[in-house]
Amino acid sequence: QVQLQESGPGLVKPAQTLSLTCSVSGASITSGNYYWSWLRQAPGKGLEWLGYSFYSGGTFYNPSLNSRLTISVDMAKNLFSLSLISVTAADTAVYFCARGKQRFAKWGQGILVTVSS
Amino acid sequence: DIQMTQSPSTLSASIGDRVTITCRASQSVSNWLAWYQQKPGKAPRLLIYDASALETGVPSRFIGSASGTEFTLTITGLQPEDFATYYCQQYNSFFPLTFGGGTKVEI
Repeated sequence: QVQLQESGPGLVKPAQTLSLTCSVSGASITSGNYYWSWLRQAPGKGLEWLGYSFYSGGTFYNPSLNSRLTISVDMAKNLFSLSLISVTAADTAVYFCARGKQRFAKWGQGILVTVSS
Repeated sequence: DIQMTQSPSTLSASIGDRVTITCRASQSVSNWLAWYQQKPGKAPRLLIYDASALETGVPSRFIGSASGTEFTLTITGLQPEDFATYYCQQYNSFFPLTFGGGTKVEI
């Protein structure tokens, strides 16, 4: 049974870079032709899809992020990562990793990241 | 972007009730629509995909349907564990994927 687990700092200063990783267990990140996505949910708000990556390349990002986002896959470590530059308070949210590129049946538990000085 | 408009935003119901949540797309998404259930502090759970297909392990009381750009999630015989927030999500226009604003089902 595949499981996903987010990790990273819970507090990031404004203008800095938010970096998170999603560790995948129970399956290889290269198996099944799956894509790997990041989504987020601001406190008390709805869900926002951020982007996805495939293990052999091929990424797709939400244009609302204005080219601030990078998603990458580390096959050796069986994980994928999110890097969001130039963060502001508006980037405060619970960040979820998920398997899939269109609909999402497998999710991590989520990690709250607060942007504050 | 395709806008997904859910209604109502809040719904009060009782155990055993039949409840209906509606999601309207701003343009055609064909049947590329999913429904999720989210409980406080938890990740969303996929219930329905392709507008009406039941995800494995989801109880059959959850029913999805579609008519043009209007989609409906019906819960027949509301159970205590069904009190949660429900979201629709379109995946026809992949650039980008978009979600509805959510419907909170409360007692």
